[in-house]
Amino acid sequence: DSGVTQTPKHLITATGQRVTLRCSPRSGDLSVYWYQQSLDQGLQFLIQYYNGEERAKGNILERFSAQQFPDLHSELNLSSLELGDSALYFCASSVGGQANTGELFFGEGSRLTVL
Amino acid sequence: AQSVTQLGSHVSVSEGALVLLRCNYSSSVPPYLFWYVQYPNQGLQLLLKYTSAATLVKGINGFEAEFKKSETSFHLTKPSAHMSDAAEYFCAVSDDSGYSTLTFGKGTMLLVSP
Repeated sequence: DSGVTQTPKHLITATGQRVTLRCSPRSGDLSVYWYQQSLDQGLQFLIQYYNGEERAKGNILERFSAQQFPDLHSELNLSSLELGDSALYFCASSVGGQANTGELFFGEGSRLTVL
Repeated sequence: AQSVTQLGSHVSVSEGALVLLRCNYSSSVPPYLFWYVQYPNQGLQLLLKYTSAATLVKGINGFEAEFKKSETSFHLTKPSAHMSDAAEYFCAVSDDSGYSTLTFGKGTMLLVSP
C-alpha cells in the first residue's frame, strides 16, 4: 500500500459527459502528480501541483483541469469526454516539489471507460 | 527535451534465468534515471534510481541497473528470475531543468515461465 488513495477505481460514462477523479496523497507529501496511461500513448504526464499551486504542466488537454485543495487532496476534472479519453488515470505524490529528488508514490489508478 | 526508449514491449524468460530489460535515454543535461515496476492492478513502485553517485545502482528484489553515459543506457538486470518478478517495468528520466518532471518509457512486460 503506497498510501495514495484514488477514487473511484472504475468509472463508466458516455461521450460528452464530465467526471471528477479524486486523489489523496500520502500523509506529509506536498506534491501531487497526475498521469494518464493508455495502450497507445503509454504513461503521459498531465500536471503537477505543489502545496496548492500548479508547478508543472505536461500533455494536458484544455478539456481537462485540476486543482489541489488546502488539505492537499487533488481533483482531476475531465469534461466533454471523448472515446479516446478512456484510460487509466494515476495520481502520484512526493514530499518535495521536484520529481527527481525523491520517490513518487503512485495510487492504484482510476480506470475511465467512455462509451 | 528528455525521452526514454525501452527496447522490447515484451520479454520472456524462464525461472532462474538472467533478466535484462533495456532502456536508452536522451537528455540534454546529466539525467536522473529511474526504474519503476507495476504489478497487475496496482500503481507503479520505485525499483531503483540513479542520481549521479555510483554508476551501478542496486534496487529492491535483487534488481540492479548500470548507468553508461557513453551508451546513453540504463539497463535493468537481475541474475535469476523468479515467478513473482512477472510485471511491467518502466524506465523514466528526469533532469535538473525546470521542475524536473518524470518522463516514462512505454514499458516492458516481463513474462516468467516455470
